[in-house]
Amino acid sequence: DTTVKQNPRYKLARVGKPVNLICSQTMNHDTMYWYQKKPNQAPKLLLFYYDKILNREADTFEKFQSSRPNNSFCSLYIGSAGLEYSAMYLCASSPGQNQAPLFGEGTRLSVL
Amino acid sequence: QQKVQQSPESLIVPEGAMTSLNCTFSDSASQYFAWYRQHSGKAPKALMSIFSNGEKEEGRFTIHLNKASLHFSLHIRDSQPSDSALYLCAEAYQGGRALIFGTGTTVSVSP
Repeated sequence: DTTVKQNPRYKLARVGKPVNLICSQTMNHDTMYWYQKKPNQAPKLLLFYYDKILNREADTFEKFQSSRPNNSFCSLYIGSAGLEYSAMYLCASSPGQNQAPLFGEGTRLSVL
Repeated sequence: QQKVQQSPESLIVPEGAMTSLNCTFSDSASQYFAWYRQHSGKAPKALMSIFSNGEKEEGRFTIHLNKASLHFSLHIRDSQPSDSALYLCAEAYQGGRALIFGTGTTVSVSP
């Protein structure tokens, strides 16, 4: 299977509640990414795992957490959702350095 | 902070015509540059990438990179209705492991 899978495709959350998004791939890619995409904005890199090493972007450092329990799975965790978290969340994976990441179809999160 | 800008924001192209999309970036030291295409409701999919100055052609698609002018472009020859999509350009950083994207150009090819 050469796809990146994301679950769920749609997620409704209440303000102040936690949100956990899941991503998986079985291509043995060493790097997995999470991007946030809002309408008319560029996909914004939130964080990525290179193997077991987590790299978080400076401006989203405190807002998002992630875990990668094994090579295939990666989660994105929001401890307390706010209205500004409503967006499409795209997971991607890459087999190595300088190789264009492969994206999943995304999870659309709506926070009410 | 690195920034990628795309132009135009949207484009309507008649079927069979050439589509030309532009991208400017801020860091000439980036390891590679890529174009992605995203059809509505689908995952962004990598079209082509390039590592050094010059041109690369695959089928109807040609990309051109000029690091000195910080310019990256995509040209689609004989545009088809199936080419209607959002096109995103990206440059790599973080040792070639992370991509920063532009806001995209929405292309509509009219039959």
